[in-house]
Amino acid sequence: EAGVTQSPRYAVLQEGQAVSFWCDPISGHDTLYWYQQPRDQGPQLLVYFRDEAVIDNSQLPSDRFSAVRPKGTNSTLKIQSAKQGDTATYLCASSTGTGWEQYFGPGTRLTVL
Amino acid sequence: GDSVTQKQGQVTLSEDDFLFINCTYSTTTYPTLLWYVQYPGQGPQLLLKVTTANNKGISRGFEATYDKGTTSFHLQKASVQESDSAVYFCALVEDTGYQNFYFGKGTSLTVIP
Repeated sequence: EAGVTQSPRYAVLQEGQAVSFWCDPISGHDTLYWYQQPRDQGPQLLVYFRDEAVIDNSQLPSDRFSAVRPKGTNSTLKIQSAKQGDTATYLCASSTGTGWEQYFGPGTRLTVL
Repeated sequence: GDSVTQKQGQVTLSEDDFLFINCTYSTTTYPTLLWYVQYPGQGPQLLLKVTTANNKGISRGFEATYDKGTTSFHLQKASVQESDSAVYFCALVEDTGYQNFYFGKGTSLTVIP
């Protein structure tokens, strides 16, 4: 069974540029999470979906970040105008709706110069 | 709200040393408590689960225990190996019909051969 895949693996931007991250969850997993993991910190939830519906996006900086999961499978996280403080690894995870065990992808390491 | 505190940022041990990492938590629900391990360039992987029902979990030589009285849970291993070098995160799962995950800051373990 394929795991959670993410692309790109690395991104380097100048402040003010936009970037999108893509996630393909494990087949059959209806719940998808996006986390931000700053260097030397634990993952911090940004947003999560059940199917195509947003369940919680309260930690997503709505002025610059957006996330969609239009068909309840793949998902895209976008940063509209990146800041240096956005430098972090962005992790995607998926799980079954009734399960507590989530599976993480390898992450996208973002550096904003 | 729910939270997890993991104070040990870095731990350096020699092979065959005893490992003990502690986390404390705060929640109003009956929590599921997790330990994750993260290797360089990878997303976190679930290592162990502890619930208020079983109080203990064991996997790959690691043991996790839970103390309701002190609202703390521990990860321990009797004899670490160089291959155990990684970052270890504790996490709390809040189940309100949807699963919300709260992670500690992580403990970076270095095992010297």
